[in-house]
Amino acid sequence: EAGVAQSPRYKIIEKRQSVAFWCNPISGHATLYWYQQILGQGPKLLIQFQNNGVVDDSQLPKDRFSAERLKGVDSTLKIQPAKLEDSAVYLCASSLEPLIAKNIQYFGAGTRLSVL
Amino acid sequence: KQEVTQIPAALSVPEGENLVLNCSFTDSAIYNLQWFRQDPGKGLTSLLLIQSSQREQTSGRLNASLDKSSGRSTLYIAASQPGDSATYLCAVNDSNYQLIWGAGTKLIIKP
Repeated sequence: EAGVAQSPRYKIIEKRQSVAFWCNPISGHATLYWYQQILGQGPKLLIQFQNNGVVDDSQLPKDRFSAERLKGVDSTLKIQPAKLEDSAVYLCASSLEPLIAKNIQYFGAGTRLSVL
Repeated sequence: KQEVTQIPAALSVPEGENLVLNCSFTDSAIYNLQWFRQDPGKGLTSLLLIQSSQREQTSGRLNASLDKSSGRSTLYIAASQPGDSATYLCAVNDSNYQLIWGAGTKLIIKP
């Protein structure tokens, strides 16, 4: 089975520019997650979708970050405008069913963003 | 608020040695604990998942233990190989069914 696909793999932008990341989850997975992983830290959940509805976006900086999951499949995460502290790896993950104790999340390779 | 800590932040051992990675968490109200591996430039791969009712899980040369009452988990790697070099992260599935992550231990196995 195909894994979680993310693009681009790398992105370099200047501060105040905009950037968008794309994620295609594993087929049939209802739940999709976006994480931000700063160098030397564990991932931090930005937003969780269940189908095309938002379950949790409490840690998403909504003044500059936005995310959508149209038709409950692919998702995009956008940053506008970017700041230096947004430099990180952005990970997308998907899972079949989140509300069970055996839930396993499958991760994409991530997008490494550098803001100069 | 759940917090997950991993010590040490980095570890270097000669090939062939057995080793233990540590993970501690502050709130014992968890559904499960997972150990992940992260290779440079790649995503996270789930290695082992221990349910809150379990004490340990094994997969090949890996053995993970869980002591929920003391808020601790260990990942034991037997007969380490250079291919085991990676960053290992633990994460707890908290009462909101969300993963709370440690910062990871960077493991280097020297040939």
